[in-house]
This record gives sequence, structure tokens and C-alpha cells, in this order.
Amino acid sequence: QQQVKQSPQSLIVQKGGISIINCAYENTAFDYFPWYQQFPGKGPALLIAIRPDVSEKKEGRFTISFNKSAKQFSLHIMDSQPGDSATYFCAARKKSSGDKLTFGTGTRLAVRP
Amino acid sequence: NAGVTQTPKFRILKIGQSMTLQCTQDMNHNYMYWYRQDPGMGLKLIYYSVGAGITDKGEVPNGYNVSRSTTEDFPLRLELAAPSQTSVYFCASSSVRTGDYEQYFGPGTRLTVT
Repeated sequence: QQQVKQSPQSLIVQKGGISIINCAYENTAFDYFPWYQQFPGKGPALLIAIRPDVSEKKEGRFTISFNKSAKQFSLHIMDSQPGDSATYFCAARKKSSGDKLTFGTGTRLAVRP
Repeated sequence: NAGVTQTPKFRILKIGQSMTLQCTQDMNHNYMYWYRQDPGMGLKLIYYSVGAGITDKGEVPNGYNVSRSTTEDFPLRLELAAPSQTSVYFCASSSVRTGDYEQYFGPGTRLTVT
């Protein structure tokens, strides 16, 4: 059973465009929703994260939108750049779970020059 | 700080062989994790540890073992390697003491079992 569903699997965007990646979760006990960015040959690194008490969080060109009632959250990358080309993972943490994260299956983003 | 380091970077094993993947962190984090990453499948938790001497199974523990004798080290042991264990393995750590839930990942070990 996949507790965090991520889409699309891959995404191609032109430079300067908006990249949007969506995730949906099932477990209402999740209390922390991070996005990780992974470049080829590297480990994932935290990009941005949100808690369910806010509907949006913005850091530079990266924004998380969170819809608690729909149990969905999304990552928006504004003014996408070729350097943003990477794989993006959404994740969710359940309170009192030993701080474990449940990851989505990943989205491979390619930003064309 | 070096962060989370993993050795080796690459390894080829024959079916039935055993090996240990090493993981060390120098951030004094109490929590450590082992994940495997397969194409299109995201990251699956194998084992985790909330402190020295304490380990617990994750989502896909079969075929693996771990130990945590120190805060810094969290080795992953593969016994009787099988082709299904061909994957990229990531170690990560976090510190719940500060309320920061960020997990810091190592660079990974690419393992092929043939």
C-alpha cells in the first residue's frame, strides 16, 4: 500500500516556465511534509518542507501548496532553470513514528534551455 | 563537518556472498536510517535506529541486518546476497533533539548482485 502518491513520474519544462509536482497522502496522522531534491549520483537533500497548519510556504522560487482537506500537497518551481533538473521526492512524516519518512516514488524534472 | 559518509561507493557481489555497507555521521545525530532506492520506486526504509544500541525494522528489512554500537556508525549487513538486492543504498541521519526533522543523506552505495 503506497501511502504517498506522487505525480507525474517525469516532467519536461522550458526554461522560465513553472514546474508543478503533486502528491497525495492517505494517513491523516502525517504531520510534516518535506520535499527532497536529488541530483544524479548524489543523495537526496531537503529542499523545502511544510507543516499542516499552514496552506503555503515559499522559499525563493520554490513554493509548497498544502490542502489539508483534500490530503494533497504540491511543489511549484517558478522560473524553472536548467540547474533545477533533478529528481524530486515528496515525503510525509507520521508523528511518533521514530521520525520515519514515507517517500513518494519521485518525479524526474528536465528543464530545457 | 563531513556529514554522512558511506563506503564503498560501488560494489559488485556474486549471489550468496556477504558484505557490510559502512555509514558514519559526525553531526552527533541520534537517529540514523538505511534506505534502498530502486528506479521508479522512491526510497524504501530498510532499518532505522533512534540511538546507540537501539534498532528497528523498516518497510523492507528481509535479507539485511544492522547494528548501532556507537552514535556515529550504523553499518548495514547483507547476508547471502540475492539479485533482488541490486539497488542504490542510502544512509541518513537526523536529530530530533533540536526539533529539526531534516534527514541528511550520504552519497550512496551502488550495489550489483550477479
